[in-house]
Amino acid sequence: GIQVEQSPPDLILQEGANSTLRCNFSDSVNNLQWFHQNPWGQLINLFYIPSGTKQNGRLSATTVATERYSLLYISSSQTTDSGVYFCAVATPLVFGKGTRLSVIA
Amino acid sequence: DAGVTQSPTHLIKTRGQQVTLRCSPKSGHDTVSWYQQALGQGPQFIFQYYEEEERQRGNFPDRFSGHQFPNYSSELNVNALLLGDSALYLCASSTGTGFDTFGSGTRLTVV
Repeated sequence: GIQVEQSPPDLILQEGANSTLRCNFSDSVNNLQWFHQNPWGQLINLFYIPSGTKQNGRLSATTVATERYSLLYISSSQTTDSGVYFCAVATPLVFGKGTRLSVIA
Repeated sequence: DAGVTQSPTHLIKTRGQQVTLRCSPKSGHDTVSWYQQALGQGPQFIFQYYEEEERQRGNFPDRFSGHQFPNYSSELNVNALLLGDSALYLCASSTGTGFDTFGSGTRLTVV
C-alpha cells in the first residue's frame, strides 16, 4: 500500500519563528489533507490540497503531486500551534506518523 | 451546524468484554469512516460505510464490526476486547469526495 513519511518527527520552536513540515508519499494520489491534532485528540482539517498552493492566515501548504511531496509552512508560530501535524493521503486516508510541534513562549 | 459527534468520550472496559462506539456525521455528509489511533501513532483506517453498507475495510480482524443507519449515523463494535485495543477511536464523515471532518474521538482503555 501507499507509504507516507513525515519529517521532522519532532520540532521545538521559539514563539515567532517560522517552520516547514514535509510529507513524502510513495504513489500518485488525488487526495491529500493536512491535519492538526490538539492535546485533546481533536483532528482539525487545515488543508485539502492534492496539488497546488493554498494559504490560510499564518499557514500555507504546497503540494507537488508529480514529485510526491507536500509542505506545510507555519509562520510567526504561536504557543497555540503546538500539537501534532498529520499528513494523510488517498481514500480512505493513509496517515503519516506526524510531526510533533512544541512552540515555547 | 454541528460537526461530527462521537459518544462516549471516554470508556474503560475489561478484557474479553464487548464495546459499542457511536458517531453522528456532519450534516450533509453520507459517508462515515472509523479510525484507530494508538498512542504516538497516526490514525489507522478500520472501515468505511456508505448507504448502510461497508464499502472498504482496513487490516483489522472480524472482532471489529460496524453499522450505518438510514440517518447516516454509525456504530463501531469491538468484541472480545484485548489490551491492545486500547486507543483513541476516531470517526470521520464526508460526502465521499473532498475533505474529511473528524470527531473528537472516543478514548477506550481496556484493563
